[in-house]
Amino acid sequence: GAVVSQHPSWVICKSGTSVKIECRSLDFQATTMFWYRQFPKQSLMLMATSNEGSKATYEQGVEKDKFLINHASLTLSTLTVTSAHPEDSSFYICSASVLRDLDGYTFGSGTRLTVV
Amino acid sequence: GQQLNQSPQSMFIQEGEDVSMNCTSSSIFNTWLWYKQDPGEGPVLLIALYKAGELTSNGRLTAQFGITRKDSFLNISASIPSDVGIYFCAGSISGGGNKLTFGTGTQLKVEL
Repeated sequence: GAVVSQHPSWVICKSGTSVKIECRSLDFQATTMFWYRQFPKQSLMLMATSNEGSKATYEQGVEKDKFLINHASLTLSTLTVTSAHPEDSSFYICSASVLRDLDGYTFGSGTRLTVV
Repeated sequence: GQQLNQSPQSMFIQEGEDVSMNCTSSSIFNTWLWYKQDPGEGPVLLIALYKAGELTSNGRLTAQFGITRKDSFLNISASIPSDVGIYFCAGSISGGGNKLTFGTGTQLKVEL
């Protein structure tokens, strides 16, 4: 089945630095990738939707200058958290989808970001 | 952002019992998905539903797409310890390539 690899699985960074998270579809080409954030004991909240070669579409309340998304190929999307602060500490999860594939929502294993 | 309401929020059941949980929305979805999430992991798809009224099974799991398109139900029969986790429903307007809206989650704990 479809596999989505997310890296790193966890990262600790200092406040004010930037962190990049990668999301790769290993055995299929993903037309769309989604980035979610999940706080402890809460549900997944969509941050942004990215289509290959296009600018990402951000959900209301998500700062596009803080959470930079690059979707340069059909198998790779990156999320960069810029000038990270402790309140950015969260579990970030990506999902890759294939257009018109109704089953096509495969999730990565997530990245635990801790900003100290 | 919008979230789907799931109930119950948590359940503590005995091994071997059947489990039911549901998900409701104020708006219509054309695809309903049920996921299970283990701690520190991403969600894993359990069942996908594409038509109103559809009833679909996956082993001990059965899910139904509500007639109104505003709700869905998940049943787990004869629960086992590995069923422990958080179950999320998710809705999509038109499937692949379109964003999912997630439910609030149901945490399942199974007592031996």
